[in-house]
Amino acid sequence: DVKVTQSSRYLVKRTGEKVFLECVQDMDHENMFWYRQDPGLGLRLIYFSYDVKMKEKGDIPEGYSVSREKKERFSLILESASTNQTSMYLCASSSTGTNPYNEQFFGPGTRLTVL
Amino acid sequence: GQSLEQPSEVTAVEGAIVQINCTYQTSGFYGLSWYQQHDGGAPTFLSYNALDGLEETGRFSSFLSRSDSYGYLLLQELQMKDSASYFCAVTPIGRGYQKVTFGIGTKLQVIP
Repeated sequence: DVKVTQSSRYLVKRTGEKVFLECVQDMDHENMFWYRQDPGLGLRLIYFSYDVKMKEKGDIPEGYSVSREKKERFSLILESASTNQTSMYLCASSSTGTNPYNEQFFGPGTRLTVL
Repeated sequence: GQSLEQPSEVTAVEGAIVQINCTYQTSGFYGLSWYQQHDGGAPTFLSYNALDGLEETGRFSSFLSRSDSYGYLLLQELQMKDSASYFCAVTPIGRGYQKVTFGIGTKLQVIP
């Protein structure tokens, strides 16, 4: 089974702190994604990566950056956390070659609270 | 760009059939997907329609009509465990084809 893991289920940080959210997948997927999920807004794409060291902005990249140094790991960085970044963060991965449905596999999510 | 609309909430009775609609505006897409997410859980893939018509997977079916810019997820023989949020999503054509754009989700409540 595909497994996508995220470093924390719950995280509490203070305004202005630098926050790292880590995501690891074990299926050798080329593509990895970071979403945030807020009530009434669904899943919104922050950044995605289609290869090591490659990244592209999603719909809401402001205030975030990402890093992909290894194929299995995709990190989301909040350079200076703010209260409006309190949210559920979901990581996902997908394969390009053997994935006719473009299925994405999600991690369990990290609920981040910024005080 | 892409935008998808779906009802925010639906309530249905155990054992019944429920249809969750998704209308979309998009400049072009490869297919329409559906995902299920239980409270506190991760979204999981349910189905994908690349072509017009009905795709059936057990109690769940999904339908797409490109001419009507419309799709739906049909859940039959509803069970209490089907209470969850359901998201429609499109895979856009063009650069960034790996991306998926999600609707806001429909929260389905199954009642006894």
